Amino acid sequence: NAGVTQTPKFQVLKTGQSMTLQCAQDMNHEYMSWYRQDPGMGLRLIHYSVGAGITDQGEVPNGYNVSRSTTEDFPLRLLSAAPSQTSVYFCASVSSGLGKTFFGQGTRLTVV
Amino acid sequence: AQKVTQAQTEISVVEKEDVTLDCVYETRDTTYYLFWYKQPPSGELVFLIRRNSFDEQNEISGRYSWNFQKSTSSFNFTITASQVVDSAVYFCYKGNLIFGKGTKLSVKP
Repeated sequence: NAGVTQTPKFQVLKTGQSMTLQCAQDMNHEYMSWYRQDPGMGLRLIHYSVGAGITDQGEVPNGYNVSRSTTEDFPLRLLSAAPSQTSVYFCASVSSGLGKTFFGQGTRLTVV
Repeated sequence: AQKVTQAQTEISVVEKEDVTLDCVYETRDTTYYLFWYKQPPSGELVFLIRRNSFDEQNEISGRYSWNFQKSTSSFNFTITASQVVDSAVYFCYKGNLIFGKGTKLSVKP
């Protein structure tokens, strides 16, 4: 049982490049989400999904796309990276019955 | 509006002191979960405690205890006899949405 797996752990991008942060969970959780963490700002919700085929925007969705084709995977796409997207990103999945939230290890992204 | 407020940005204590981290939340949900997470310098989020909005019973678990009061929308967290290893950023979190901005706790020997 791996829990929530996030890849990569570190990434450096040039402005304008695109990339996908991967998130996978093996607990059959319906609810998954992406957060970004910036100094002094705590963690802010980017996008979330309540099940396969259903996604919605969180507090800071601009510049990010998501899709949820399977229950297990919830990738986060940066179509054209900007320095303002330099941050630490966390993926989470939630067991609906118990409400327990599982977080990935985080991805430290730097856009230069 | 949904909001989680941690008014204490940084706290510094000396080892063995007790320390309470404050959390006040706003929500329109009738059922919700509240959490406390710890983020040590290594960066991962470590689950500490979870409370269902229907359960206002306060508990103690080792050196940790929490005080959930629905009437004042507060969910405070206390570390008894703090240790240097408790130094971290602590986040209050209303699942599945909102984190507080965190409280940085420094425990000095």
